[in-house]
Amino acid sequence: GENVEQHPSTLSVQEGDSAVIKCTYSDSASNYFPWYKQELGKRPQLIIDIRSNVGEKKDQRIAVTLNKTAKHFSLHITETQPEDSAVYFCAASNGNSGGSNYKLTFGKGTLLTVNP
Amino acid sequence: KAGVTQTPRYLIKTRGQQVTLSCSPISGHRSVSWYQQTPGQGLQFLFEYFSETQRNKGNFPGRFSGRQFSNSRSEMNVSTLELGDSALYLCASSPAGGFTEAFFGQGTRLTVV
Repeated sequence: GENVEQHPSTLSVQEGDSAVIKCTYSDSASNYFPWYKQELGKRPQLIIDIRSNVGEKKDQRIAVTLNKTAKHFSLHITETQPEDSAVYFCAASNGNSGGSNYKLTFGKGTLLTVNP
Repeated sequence: KAGVTQTPRYLIKTRGQQVTLSCSPISGHRSVSWYQQTPGQGLQFLFEYFSETQRNKGNFPGRFSGRQFSNSRSEMNVSTLELGDSALYLCASSPAGGFTEAFFGQGTRLTVV
Protein backbone atom coordinates (compact mmCIF):
# COMPACT_ATOMS: atom_id res chain seq x y z
CA GLY A 1 0.00 0.00 0.00
CA GLU A 2 0.86 3.67 -0.02
CA ASN A 3 3.54 4.99 2.34
CA VAL A 4 4.15 8.69 2.96
CA GLU A 5 7.33 9.94 4.59
CA GLN A 6 7.45 13.50 5.95
CA HIS A 7 10.47 15.57 6.99
CA PRO A 8 11.44 17.25 9.20
CA SER A 9 9.46 16.15 12.24
CA THR A 10 10.10 19.51 13.92
CA LEU A 11 10.99 22.87 12.42
CA SER A 12 11.72 26.12 14.21
CA VAL A 13 12.00 29.40 12.30
CA GLN A 14 12.12 33.09 13.07
CA GLU A 15 9.13 35.22 12.18
CA GLY A 16 9.43 36.42 8.60
CA ASP A 17 11.58 33.49 7.49
CA SER A 18 10.43 30.78 5.07
CA ALA A 19 9.57 27.22 6.06
CA VAL A 20 9.75 24.14 3.83
CA ILE A 21 8.29 20.73 4.63
CA LYS A 22 8.94 17.78 2.34
CA CYS A 23 7.06 14.54 1.71
CA THR A 24 7.71 11.50 -0.42
CA TYR A 25 5.17 8.87 -1.46
CA SER A 26 5.54 5.33 -2.71
CA ASP A 27 2.46 4.62 -4.85
CA SER A 28 2.83 6.04 -8.35
CA ALA A 29 -0.96 5.80 -8.74
CA SER A 30 -1.47 8.53 -6.10
CA ASN A 31 -2.93 11.60 -7.75
CA TYR A 32 -4.18 13.91 -5.02
CA PHE A 33 -1.95 15.53 -2.40
CA PRO A 34 -3.50 17.71 0.33
CA TRP A 35 -1.81 19.50 3.19
CA TYR A 36 -3.51 19.91 6.55
CA LYS A 37 -2.75 22.26 9.43
CA GLN A 38 -3.68 21.16 12.94
CA GLU A 39 -3.45 23.64 15.79
CA LEU A 40 -3.25 22.30 19.32
CA GLY A 41 -6.54 20.76 20.38
CA LYS A 42 -8.24 21.50 17.07
CA ARG A 43 -9.27 19.58 14.00
CA PRO A 44 -7.02 19.23 10.94
CA GLN A 45 -7.89 21.83 8.34
CA LEU A 46 -7.00 21.76 4.67
CA ILE A 47 -4.71 24.61 3.72
CA ILE A 48 -3.80 23.69 0.16
CA ASP A 49 -3.94 20.72 -2.18
CA ILE A 50 -2.51 19.74 -5.54
CA ARG A 51 -3.48 17.22 -8.17
CA SER A 52 -1.10 15.16 -10.23
CA ASN A 53 -1.71 17.10 -13.42
CA VAL A 54 -0.27 20.27 -11.83
CA GLY A 55 3.35 20.97 -10.83
CA GLU A 56 2.85 23.93 -8.52
CA LYS A 57 0.05 25.77 -6.78
CA LYS A 58 0.11 28.99 -4.75
CA ASP A 59 -2.28 30.60 -2.32
CA GLN A 60 -0.94 33.84 -0.85
CA ARG A 61 1.97 32.87 1.43
CA ILE A 62 1.56 29.15 0.88
CA ALA A 63 2.72 27.09 -2.09
CA VAL A 64 2.96 23.42 -2.88
CA THR A 65 5.17 21.79 -5.51
CA LEU A 66 4.88 18.28 -6.91
CA ASN A 67 7.50 16.18 -8.67
CA LYS A 68 5.74 13.08 -9.98
CA THR A 69 8.90 11.52 -11.37
CA ALA A 70 10.66 11.66 -8.02
CA LYS A 71 7.41 11.06 -6.11
CA HIS A 72 7.83 13.94 -3.75
CA PHE A 73 5.93 17.10 -2.91
CA SER A 74 6.71 20.05 -0.68
CA LEU A 75 4.95 22.78 1.26
CA HIS A 76 6.47 26.24 1.25
CA ILE A 77 5.38 28.95 3.67
CA THR A 78 6.86 32.41 3.14
CA GLU A 79 6.94 35.35 5.56
CA THR A 80 6.03 33.10 8.46
CA GLN A 81 3.97 34.48 11.33
CA PRO A 82 3.49 33.20 14.91
CA GLU A 83 -0.03 32.06 13.99
CA ASP A 84 1.51 29.66 11.47
CA SER A 85 2.76 27.61 14.45
CA ALA A 86 0.99 24.23 14.27
CA VAL A 87 1.46 20.65 13.16
CA TYR A 88 1.36 20.24 9.39
CA PHE A 89 0.44 16.94 7.74
CA CYS A 90 0.92 15.95 4.15
CA ALA A 91 -1.22 13.22 2.63
CA ALA A 92 -1.58 11.25 -0.56
CA SER A 93 -4.56 9.59 -2.16
CA ASN A 94 -5.20 7.42 -5.19
CA GLY A 95 -8.84 8.42 -5.30
CA ASN A 96 -10.25 9.09 -8.73
CA SER A 97 -12.99 11.45 -9.82
CA GLY A 98 -15.59 8.78 -9.07
CA GLY A 99 -14.30 8.45 -5.55
CA SER A 100 -14.35 4.67 -5.72
CA ASN A 101 -11.22 4.15 -3.65
CA TYR A 102 -10.98 7.17 -1.41
CA LYS A 103 -8.34 6.92 1.30
CA LEU A 104 -5.87 9.45 2.60
CA THR A 105 -2.45 8.20 3.72
CA PHE A 106 -0.83 10.77 5.99
CA GLY A 107 2.74 11.62 6.83
CA LYS A 108 3.56 11.67 10.53
CA GLY A 109 3.46 15.44 10.75
CA THR A 110 5.82 18.39 11.21
CA LEU A 111 5.63 20.59 14.28
CA LEU A 112 6.34 24.11 13.03
CA THR A 113 7.24 26.75 15.59
CA VAL A 114 7.52 30.36 14.49
CA ASN A 115 9.41 32.44 17.02
CA PRO A 116 8.48 36.14 17.29
CA LYS B 1 -23.56 25.23 6.49
CA ALA B 2 -22.90 23.21 9.63
CA GLY B 3 -19.56 21.43 9.83
CA VAL B 4 -18.79 17.83 10.64
CA THR B 5 -20.09 16.94 14.09
CA GLN B 6 -18.70 14.15 16.23
CA THR B 7 -20.19 12.91 19.47
CA PRO B 8 -19.25 12.47 22.17
CA ARG B 9 -16.17 14.71 22.44
CA TYR B 10 -14.64 12.74 25.30
CA LEU B 11 -15.02 9.18 26.53
CA ILE B 12 -13.43 7.16 29.28
CA LYS B 13 -13.90 3.41 29.08
CA THR B 14 -12.54 0.36 30.84
CA ARG B 15 -10.56 -2.38 29.14
CA GLY B 16 -12.86 -5.03 27.70
CA GLN B 17 -15.80 -2.69 27.20
CA GLN B 18 -17.11 -1.59 23.82
CA VAL B 19 -17.73 1.91 22.53
CA THR B 20 -19.71 3.56 19.73
CA LEU B 21 -18.71 6.89 18.23
CA SER B 22 -20.92 8.99 15.99
CA CYS B 23 -20.21 11.28 13.05
CA SER B 24 -22.65 13.57 11.26
CA PRO B 25 -21.21 14.78 7.94
CA ILE B 26 -21.77 18.10 6.25
CA SER B 27 -25.18 18.18 4.61
CA GLY B 28 -24.97 16.74 1.11
CA HIS B 29 -21.71 14.88 1.72
CA ARG B 30 -21.99 11.18 1.05
CA SER B 31 -18.48 10.00 1.89
CA VAL B 32 -17.41 9.55 5.51
CA SER B 33 -13.99 8.28 6.51
CA TRP B 34 -12.55 7.55 9.94
CA TYR B 35 -9.01 8.02 11.23
CA GLN B 36 -7.21 7.19 14.44
CA GLN B 37 -4.74 9.82 15.63
CA THR B 38 -2.04 8.97 18.16
CA PRO B 39 1.19 10.82 19.01
CA GLY B 40 3.37 7.97 17.81
CA GLN B 41 1.55 6.87 14.66
CA GLY B 42 -0.04 10.08 13.40
CA LEU B 43 -3.29 9.78 11.45
CA GLN B 44 -4.14 6.26 10.39
CA PHE B 45 -7.00 5.33 8.10
CA LEU B 46 -9.68 3.07 9.57
CA PHE B 47 -12.41 2.86 6.90
CA GLU B 48 -14.47 4.83 4.43
CA TYR B 49 -18.18 4.67 3.67
CA PHE B 50 -20.11 5.95 0.70
CA SER B 51 -23.86 5.54 0.30
CA GLU B 52 -23.98 3.02 3.18
CA THR B 53 -21.26 0.85 1.65
CA GLN B 54 -17.77 0.35 3.05
CA ARG B 55 -15.47 1.00 0.12
CA ASN B 56 -12.10 0.82 1.80
CA LYS B 57 -10.66 -0.46 5.06
CA GLY B 58 -7.35 0.14 6.79
CA ASN B 59 -5.14 -2.30 8.65
CA PHE B 60 -6.98 -2.49 11.94
CA PRO B 61 -8.25 -5.61 13.73
CA GLY B 62 -11.81 -6.78 13.35
CA ARG B 63 -12.66 -5.22 16.73
CA PHE B 64 -12.99 -1.97 14.79
CA SER B 65 -16.14 -1.76 12.73
CA GLY B 66 -18.38 0.88 11.29
CA ARG B 67 -21.53 1.58 9.40
CA GLN B 68 -23.27 4.37 7.55
CA PHE B 69 -26.93 5.19 7.55
CA SER B 70 -29.15 6.37 4.71
CA ASN B 71 -28.78 9.99 5.89
CA SER B 72 -24.96 9.59 5.59
CA ARG B 73 -24.40 9.70 9.35
CA SER B 74 -21.81 7.17 10.38
CA GLU B 75 -20.89 5.27 13.49
CA MET B 76 -17.81 3.35 14.41
CA ASN B 77 -17.67 0.67 17.06
CA VAL B 78 -14.72 -0.72 18.95
CA SER B 79 -15.30 -3.91 20.90
CA THR B 80 -13.19 -5.47 23.64
CA LEU B 81 -11.28 -2.24 24.23
CA GLU B 82 -7.54 -2.36 24.85
CA LEU B 83 -5.30 0.27 26.45
CA GLY B 84 -3.71 0.86 23.06
CA ASP B 85 -7.03 1.99 21.63
CA SER B 86 -6.69 5.26 23.52
CA ALA B 87 -6.55 7.91 20.81
CA LEU B 88 -8.31 10.76 19.10
CA TYR B 89 -10.79 9.40 16.57
CA LEU B 90 -11.48 11.75 13.70
CA CYS B 91 -14.05 11.47 10.99
CA ALA B 92 -13.97 13.38 7.74
CA SER B 93 -16.68 13.98 5.18
CA SER B 94 -16.50 14.87 1.52
CA PRO B 95 -19.06 15.09 -1.27
CA ALA B 96 -17.93 11.89 -2.95
CA GLY B 97 -14.35 11.17 -1.98
CA GLY B 98 -11.56 11.12 -4.48
CA PHE B 99 -10.41 14.54 -5.60
CA THR B 100 -12.60 16.47 -3.22
CA GLU B 101 -11.57 18.16 0.00
CA ALA B 102 -12.11 16.17 3.20
CA PHE B 103 -13.52 18.18 6.13
CA PHE B 104 -12.68 16.89 9.58
CA GLY B 105 -14.75 16.88 12.72
CA GLN B 106 -13.37 17.89 16.12
CA GLY B 107 -12.81 14.28 17.03
CA THR B 108 -13.68 12.03 19.94
CA ARG B 109 -10.97 11.63 22.55
CA LEU B 110 -11.17 8.03 23.81
CA THR B 111 -9.28 7.04 26.92
CA VAL B 112 -9.18 3.37 27.90
CA VAL B 113 -8.23 2.65 31.52
